[in-house]
Amino acid sequence: DGGITQSPKYLFRKEGQNVTLSCEQNLNHDAMYWYRQDPGQGLRLIYYSQIVNDFQKGDIAEGYSVSREKKESFPLTVTSAQKNPTAFYLCASIGSGTHSYNEQFFGPGTRLTVL
Amino acid sequence: EDQVTQSPEALRLQEGESSSLNCSYTVSGLRGLFWYRQDPGKGPEFLFTLYSAGEEKEKERLKATLTKKESFLHITAPKPEDSATYLCAVQAWGSGTASKLTFGTGTRLQVTL
Repeated sequence: DGGITQSPKYLFRKEGQNVTLSCEQNLNHDAMYWYRQDPGQGLRLIYYSQIVNDFQKGDIAEGYSVSREKKESFPLTVTSAQKNPTAFYLCASIGSGTHSYNEQFFGPGTRLTVL
Repeated sequence: EDQVTQSPEALRLQEGESSSLNCSYTVSGLRGLFWYRQDPGKGPEFLFTLYSAGEEKEKERLKATLTKKESFLHITAPKPEDSATYLCAVQAWGSGTASKLTFGTGTRLQVTL
């Protein structure tokens, strides 16, 4: 079955640590996105990538970094510079050859907690 | 700046009691309006895309409608399995090929027996 996978499902981080969240898709989608979801707030865009080896900052990129070395993979690193990283992180993708305003498909999410 | 406001924040219905969720938006030019369903601890699941005022789409007990200022998600004769958070998002013209979406905070729906 095609889809988006995220791992781990739960992640705990100590103060001062960098952690990396995995996002993999086998949908052959070109564009991939990272969102952050906090209680009482809408999803907020962290980074997005439209093609391999290219990515752009979203609305809240400070304290995060990404890479896009393969079409299938778009890992997100939460650095120690992110002051409030506890949140639910969602990865999404959209297909190649489709209109850019078509729907985004989301992964199951990773819940990050700072200890 | 694009804005999306959803109301109510939470809604409790009895099984079979129809109602509507509201999504009000302001965008420079609407390219698409999206409805998603999200279950606790899971990623959003796509429901509908609406592109122009007057458009309607249906899926089982759900029907989405669109005007120039808002969208409604009508739920007819809901069942307990319809309980979830419903998210609305908009995409504006001028966002290029990035498909950037602006999300509302969602409406938490609970359907009881």
